[in-house]
Amino acid sequence: EIVLTQSPATLSLSPGERATLSCRASQSVSSYLAWYQQKPGQAPRLLIYDAFNRATGIPARFSGSGSGTDFTLTISSLEPGDFAVYYCHQRSNWPYTFGQGTKLEIK
Amino acid sequence: EVQLVESGGGLVQPGGSLRLSCSASGFTFTKYGMHWVRQAPGKGLEYVSVINDNGGSAYYGDSVKGRFTTSRDNSKNTLYLQMNSLRTEDTAVFYCVKVLGGGSGWTPDFWGQGTLVTVSS
Repeated sequence: EIVLTQSPATLSLSPGERATLSCRASQSVSSYLAWYQQKPGQAPRLLIYDAFNRATGIPARFSGSGSGTDFTLTISSLEPGDFAVYYCHQRSNWPYTFGQGTKLEIK
Repeated sequence: EVQLVESGGGLVQPGGSLRLSCSASGFTFTKYGMHWVRQAPGKGLEYVSVINDNGGSAYYGDSVKGRFTTSRDNSKNTLYLQMNSLRTEDTAVFYCVKVLGGGSGWTPDFWGQGTLVTVSS
């Protein structure tokens, strides 16, 4: 099973700042990595798929990069609605797996 | 507009069974694989199963293999999850998820709002 390790566990930033979230895979997942945002009481929402493609309706301030084992989700300028938990996900090998999440909180 | 509506959750005793349903609308159900993903209270996301568009192939996470069965009725646009031999650690919100499809295949795309399953005596 491919383990995805996200860092940091919690990130405290202010609106307007830049957020950088990391996801590291225990073995190569090529570019088969996605990012999700989950707000309290809501279902996850797809942000980025195949490492760098924005999903439909996702603002340009969200961007993804990386390949192989190291990936990054960047939010260029945080807005109040961006404070949530973010998960990475790999579909390279079954069983597909998720990272443990990064909580982005208001500083 | 894509809609996924899960139902069938509730309280069940350890060792019991439950069947979840997911009613799909707003897209051509027969063209997309589907996932079940669960989330224990206060915890992260865990894969339960995936099934292909015609229901001919399904894969399961290790923690549910042999106990859970996923199926679909394409004539009713409905996905199912039959859960047997339930354990307290199966307590979670269960999400029905449509795949993105196309070149990005099995990427989970649109999620339903989930249904809560509580396993407790």
